[in-house]
Amino acid sequence: GQQVMQIPQYQHVQEGEDFTTYCNSSTTLSNIQWYKQRPGGHPVFLIQLVKSGEVKKQKRLTFQFGEAKKNSSLHITATQTTDVGTYFCTRDDKIIFGKGTRLHILP
Amino acid sequence: DTGVSQDPRHKITKRGQNVTFRCDPISEHNRLYWYRQTLGQGPEFLTYFQNEAQLEKSRLLSDRFSAERPKGSFSTLEIQRTEQGDSAMYLCASSYGEIYNSPLHFGNGTRLTVT
Repeated sequence: GQQVMQIPQYQHVQEGEDFTTYCNSSTTLSNIQWYKQRPGGHPVFLIQLVKSGEVKKQKRLTFQFGEAKKNSSLHITATQTTDVGTYFCTRDDKIIFGKGTRLHILP
Repeated sequence: DTGVSQDPRHKITKRGQNVTFRCDPISEHNRLYWYRQTLGQGPEFLTYFQNEAQLEKSRLLSDRFSAERPKGSFSTLEIQRTEQGDSAMYLCASSYGEIYNSPLHFGNGTRLTVT
């Protein structure tokens, strides 16, 4: 089936350390979207990537779309406690979400 | 823009009972999605509408689940003869566009507990 796989499933980092999560698709995507879900909350849209090799930045967050448009990454520089949550990528039709990467920040 | 609203926020029901949830999308959004989410998992697609037309329904969805969007505005999700395995957060999301790549706006969800 047309799945999106996210790794790692969980990540514990010390506050101030960097964090990266990866999203891999079995098929070429027209675009990919990233969402963040805080504990007890609902998913909130972060960004959409469309072009091959695209890189977008939002403050400490850097998003990349692979050259083959089959994978993507989200990198957070110098994590803060506000970054806690689960980060999901979703396939371009938004029907399939990855299982997400749950980020825990250790003070 | 009041966002996507879902009602009720919580529902506790006994096994075998029917339940119905409502979702009011953002007013100008023509697409409406229903997802189910259990602890530690990503949102699992259930079905989606473009305007009043139900365009796709998950093969995982049993015949006990039905969704409607009669006037292309609000939507309802009904679960008949609930089972304990139906306990989950039911999320509604809406978006605007004729193509897939517009962002989803999620509601706060309805948490269903089947006892």
